[in-house]
Amino acid sequence: QKEVEQNSGPLSVPEGAIASLNCTYSDRGSQSFFWYRQYSGKSPELIMSIYSNGDKEDGRFTAQLNKASQYVSLLIRDSQPSDSATYLCAVTGGSNYKLTFGKGTLLTVNP
Amino acid sequence: GAVVSQHPSRVICKSGTSVKIECRSLDFQATTMFWYRQFPKQSLMLMATSNEGSKATYEQGVEKDKFLINHASLTLSTLTVTSAHPEDSSFYICSVWPRQATYEQYFGPGTRLTVT
Repeated sequence: QKEVEQNSGPLSVPEGAIASLNCTYSDRGSQSFFWYRQYSGKSPELIMSIYSNGDKEDGRFTAQLNKASQYVSLLIRDSQPSDSATYLCAVTGGSNYKLTFGKGTLLTVNP
Repeated sequence: GAVVSQHPSRVICKSGTSVKIECRSLDFQATTMFWYRQFPKQSLMLMATSNEGSKATYEQGVEKDKFLINHASLTLSTLTVTSAHPEDSSFYICSVWPRQATYEQYFGPGTRLTVT
């Protein structure tokens, strides 16, 4: 059974700091990796996709993928209180197209 | 991205009644949509894959006769919770898959169902 594990959190960082969110996955055949942000009471919003080893940057967000270690991370630079949310790691590809989600990490950015 | 709407956003119903939730893809034609359920403080669980013009594919443990899915057009999929019970109270979210090569899914705003 495919599993996606995230650091349990909650994670609390001061405003302006770097928040680091981690995720590991069990299916070595996984090909596509996503980070979703979910505010309390809302649905998930796709913020990053990454498909190949290395780093991918988009504004204050950087996703890092290491397929050999089956590890994907999300760095949020210059964290803002508006970044306070649950971050969901999702993985797919390999044998099918379905997204497998981790349980999420709750991030709180303190002003 | 993709723009997805859901209706209603919130519904309260009595035990034993049925509730229909609509999911609309507003800016492209979606041959495939997904339905998820999320209980409080838990992650998303895929319920079923909705395919336009054919029967939905349900995940293991999801009762297809209880959760009826109809994907009659390229922009609309509906989920009907039949004979709802309090344990069906949950956050139901649909998603669309606009570019199948990338596997990216975009979610609707969700429907919060409360069964009393």
